[in-house]
Amino acid sequence: AQSVTQPDIHITVSEGASLELRCNYSYGATPYLFWYVQSPGQGLQLLLKYFSGDTLVQGIKGFEAEFKRSQSSFNLRKPSVHWSDAAEYFCAVVMNSGYSTLTFGKGTMLLVSP
Amino acid sequence: DTGVSQNPRHKITKRGQNVTFRCDPISEHNRLYWYRQTLGQGPEFLTYFQNEAQLEKSRLLSDRFSAERPKGSFSTLEIQRTEQGDSAMYLCASSPSFGGNEQFFGPGTRLTVL
Repeated sequence: AQSVTQPDIHITVSEGASLELRCNYSYGATPYLFWYVQSPGQGLQLLLKYFSGDTLVQGIKGFEAEFKRSQSSFNLRKPSVHWSDAAEYFCAVVMNSGYSTLTFGKGTMLLVSP
Repeated sequence: DTGVSQNPRHKITKRGQNVTFRCDPISEHNRLYWYRQTLGQGPEFLTYFQNEAQLEKSRLLSDRFSAERPKGSFSTLEIQRTEQGDSAMYLCASSPSFGGNEQFFGPGTRLTVL
């Protein structure tokens, strides 16, 4: 079955340290790939997306992600985490490009320690 | 504010009652999606509209759920005879039909069924 896996439920990172959130997908073809962030009481905000082309994509707030076809992965990275980055992060894919419905992972909660 | 809006933001109801939620998408977007998010999970797709036509429904959308988008603008999601298992955050998103499938999410309606 088509699925998105975020293996880490929680991650704690010290402020200023680097961050990598993992995402793997299971799908026969290359899907469209997204990372969203959700802060408490807020809606989902798009950080970045990958459709085709350069496999390293830049997003907002200093985030980037790299698509690796051989590993079916789309990991999110940030070189230096700020306390305001504490939130829940969701990887999502579009597996039916006709309707563009998103399939989400279960999310990774990022905690930032001082 | 030209983003996606949802009303109400919170709804508490007793089991067996009917509830209705409203979503106002970004005005030029003709695609509209409903998702449901339960605690500790990523959003799960419920249904999709292209203009006023409901083109896809998830198996999650039982007979007690109905969604409409009568004039291709705002949408309503009704749940009849609510059950405690319906307690969740209901998210609405919209997107244009061109340019890359990016969905813009509203803040959600949190439903609590007592």
